[in-house]
Amino acid sequence: EDKVVQSPLSLVVHEGDTVTLNCSYEVTNFRSLLWYKQEKKAPTFLFMLTSSGIEKKSGRLSSILDKKELFSILNITATQTGDSAVYLCAVERYKIRGGADGLTFGKGTHLIIQP
Amino acid sequence: KAGVTQTPRYLIKTRGQQVTLSCSPISGHRSVSWYQQTPGQGLQFLFEYFSETQRNKGNFPGRFSGRQFSNSRSEMNVSTLELGDSALYLCASSFPRDSYNEQFFGPGTRLTVL
Repeated sequence: EDKVVQSPLSLVVHEGDTVTLNCSYEVTNFRSLLWYKQEKKAPTFLFMLTSSGIEKKSGRLSSILDKKELFSILNITATQTGDSAVYLCAVERYKIRGGADGLTFGKGTHLIIQP
Repeated sequence: KAGVTQTPRYLIKTRGQQVTLSCSPISGHRSVSWYQQTPGQGLQFLFEYFSETQRNKGNFPGRFSGRQFSNSRSEMNVSTLELGDSALYLCASSFPRDSYNEQFFGPGTRLTVL
């Protein structure tokens, strides 16, 4: 059975700190790993990673994938209170007959940034 | 462009009843996926529809079903509701659905089963 495990489950830091969120996975026919941010209701897309060792960056957020060790990290530098959210990791896999299968999500990391 | 809309936003039902939730994708999007989110299990994939056909299905019992109309709007139905069906139901749309990085989520329907 496919598995996506995120750690820590929750994290409280102060504004300005740097945080690293972890996501490990066990998935057959891996295609890509995605990160989402969920603040109130709808998750919003952050990154999609398909190749090992290539860092994706967007402002203070960055992410990297290690396909050999089957994990990804999401880094947030100089955190702000607006970064408080649940960060979700999801894995997409190939279907045997082509195309992609539905996403398998981790349970998320609840990040709280204190002023 | 209007985002993904879901109706109703909140719903309260009792055990044994059935419920239908609706999702209107972003204009031009043809793929609609449905997810269930609970505190215990997190976000779980229910099914995906593309051009009125179910293309992918998660591991949920047959009480959960869906359909998609020619205008890409989608509905999901849950029959014989159980307490454990209480959850936030999210739908997401994309065009074309080749990979999930272009998937946009709606605000969700909060279903409470009493």
